[in-house]
Amino acid sequence: DAGVTQSPTHLIKTRGQQVTLRCSPKSGHDTVSWYQQALGQGPQFIFQYYEEEERQRGNFPDRFSGHQFPNYSSELNVNALLLGDSALYLCASSRTVQSASYEQYFGPGTRLTVT
Amino acid sequence: AQSVTQLGSHVSVSEGALVLLRCNYSSSVPPYLFWYVQYPNQGLQLLLKYTTGATLVKGINGFEAEFKKSETSFHLTKPSAHMSDAAEYFCAVSDYSGGGADGLTFGKGTHLIIQP
Repeated sequence: DAGVTQSPTHLIKTRGQQVTLRCSPKSGHDTVSWYQQALGQGPQFIFQYYEEEERQRGNFPDRFSGHQFPNYSSELNVNALLLGDSALYLCASSRTVQSASYEQYFGPGTRLTVT
Repeated sequence: AQSVTQLGSHVSVSEGALVLLRCNYSSSVPPYLFWYVQYPNQGLQLLLKYTTGATLVKGINGFEAEFKKSETSFHLTKPSAHMSDAAEYFCAVSDYSGGGADGLTFGKGTHLIIQP
């Protein structure tokens, strides 16, 4: 059973550029959440997608946007990259049952470096 | 808004000794609580979770945690530390508002060091 997969593993971008990160959820999961983990910190919630819509959002600017596809996979897009966007980006998947989705399984992450 | 405090950014124990990692939370609704472990250059692995029911929760690799509502705590323990337990541990809380589950709020993490 494949777990959560993310691509690419590492990415180097320049300030002002745009980046797209991808995530495939664990088999049987329909909900995808994205987190940003700065070096030495705990992950911070960016947003969560369910039924191809953003269901909930953390305290992140509009430069961060996402998408969920009919096969439940998801993309995270970041525009106008800043040096402070350098971090490990984690995708987590879960299964929503009766509007509840609480056991999240994490992928290995994408390490983004902005220079 | 919920929050998580993990006491001690670094905890060092001897191999075979008791492991105790502390977590306190604040939440406006009955919380769901989680412990995750992260090994270097890897994602997070779920150790255990508390949702409802029994307050003593057993997880993988011999870890367990007890939900104490009166103390708003969810401390993680393991009776006997093993070298392979060295990692970063994160406590997290999720408010289930009934209309859709919140994203997780994480603590800053505790780095567990095992001394031989």
